[in-house]
Amino acid sequence: GQNIDQPTEMTATEGAIVQINCTYQTSGFNGLFWYQQHAGEAPTFLSYNVLDGLEEKGRFSSFLSRSKGYSYLLLKELQMKDSASYLCAVRGRSTLGRLYFGRGTQLTVWP
Amino acid sequence: IAGITQAPTSQILAAGRRMTLRCTQDMRHNAMYWYRQDLGLGLRLIHYSNTAGTTGKGEVPDGYSVSRANTDDFPLTLASAVPSQTSVYFCASSDMGRRDEQFFGPGTRLTVL
Repeated sequence: GQNIDQPTEMTATEGAIVQINCTYQTSGFNGLFWYQQHAGEAPTFLSYNVLDGLEEKGRFSSFLSRSKGYSYLLLKELQMKDSASYLCAVRGRSTLGRLYFGRGTQLTVWP
Repeated sequence: IAGITQAPTSQILAAGRRMTLRCTQDMRHNAMYWYRQDLGLGLRLIHYSNTAGTTGKGEVPDGYSVSRANTDDFPLTLASAVPSQTSVYFCASSDMGRRDEQFFGPGTRLTVL
């Protein structure tokens, strides 16, 4: 089975850095995804990790440790528009394209 | 414009009625998925299809059925709606390549009374 855990809520101020953690337990692992979802909208793809290490893309970075079943999403220079839900999702090795999602972390950025 | 469309945007339905949610993609993706999203529960997979002509059950398939007659369309049918099926429904697709990111449609907000 799949078990994905992330904090329910986080808050931060504009210009700050925030780290959203995700831990997972899976029967097989074939990639970890982070999605961003603004209220009332569809999820949109942010990042993908399949090997250990850090992937950087502009203000957003994502880290993976497969041995620890752990990932984080790092958001730098926070802006008000970064207020959204951030979803961690894992792809199992034997489940082809299927993703298993965590419950999401609601990030609120204050001015 | 390439992407995924869903219809209707929202619907209020009486319990016991039949309802089909439509999903169409024009990216020629092999795989398509239906999720429901409920407050506090996140996205849960209902049904999926890895290629035209094949479908499979996800985490919460009961009360739902799907078909995949061609690459582009993946309708989701509620044969006899119940109030617990009140949710936001998202359709997604992916090309099942190495990264295989899923692209999501705008969603359908369904209320069953």
